[in-house]
Amino acid sequence: QVQLVESGGDLVKPGGSLRLSCAASGFIFSDSYMTWIRQAPGKGLEWVSYISGSSDNTNYADSVKGRFTISRDNAKNSLYLQMNSLRAEDTAVYYCARMGTFDIWGQGTMVTVSS
Amino acid sequence: DIQMTQSPSTLSASVGDRVAITCRASQTISDWLAWYQQKPGKAPKLLIYKVSSLESGVPSRFSGSGSGTEFTLTISSLQPDDFATYYCQQYKSYSRTFGQGTKLEIK
Repeated sequence: QVQLVESGGDLVKPGGSLRLSCAASGFIFSDSYMTWIRQAPGKGLEWVSYISGSSDNTNYADSVKGRFTISRDNAKNSLYLQMNSLRAEDTAVYYCARMGTFDIWGQGTMVTVSS
Repeated sequence: DIQMTQSPSTLSASVGDRVAITCRASQTISDWLAWYQQKPGKAPKLLIYKVSSLESGVPSRFSGSGSGTEFTLTISSLQPDDFATYYCQQYKSYSRTFGQGTKLEIK
């Protein structure tokens, strides 16, 4: 069936790095723009980044620009988010979603940045 | 970036009530407006896209309206399953932005 499954969330110290993954199934992944959205505890939704199907077009929220890198592997139907120089304010549940409208979401993976 | 402002932030209502949530964009977004429902501990769920188009499987008591910069999500007769947080989102610009959310509570 159509689904997205995130993984890779963890507890990491400030300044550390983490790589999130999102496995897609049930739709033509390579045709789809994909995106990451995050939600800090008790807060609203914040768009983080998107990537085109062919990886030639990416964009980032100002809050993560220069620290996060989005990528994908269409052969593996997988989306990634490399997060470097992590800060306490990056603590959130991270969701991947299919873009256009965000009609397919994963269940989320928790990233906690704390010493 | 396009800013999205929702009102109210919290709404208390009873089963059977008709409720409306408003979303205002900082600049015109034509009809590139979606609404999502989120329940605690769950991912958001797409309800409405392009202002008023209902996503497949969404009950017809949900409806959307508006244009330009002012939009409304209406639930015609609240059901117990509808108590959740609702977000609007613009997708006119690639830097997608969400409203801050409206928590719909049981009165």
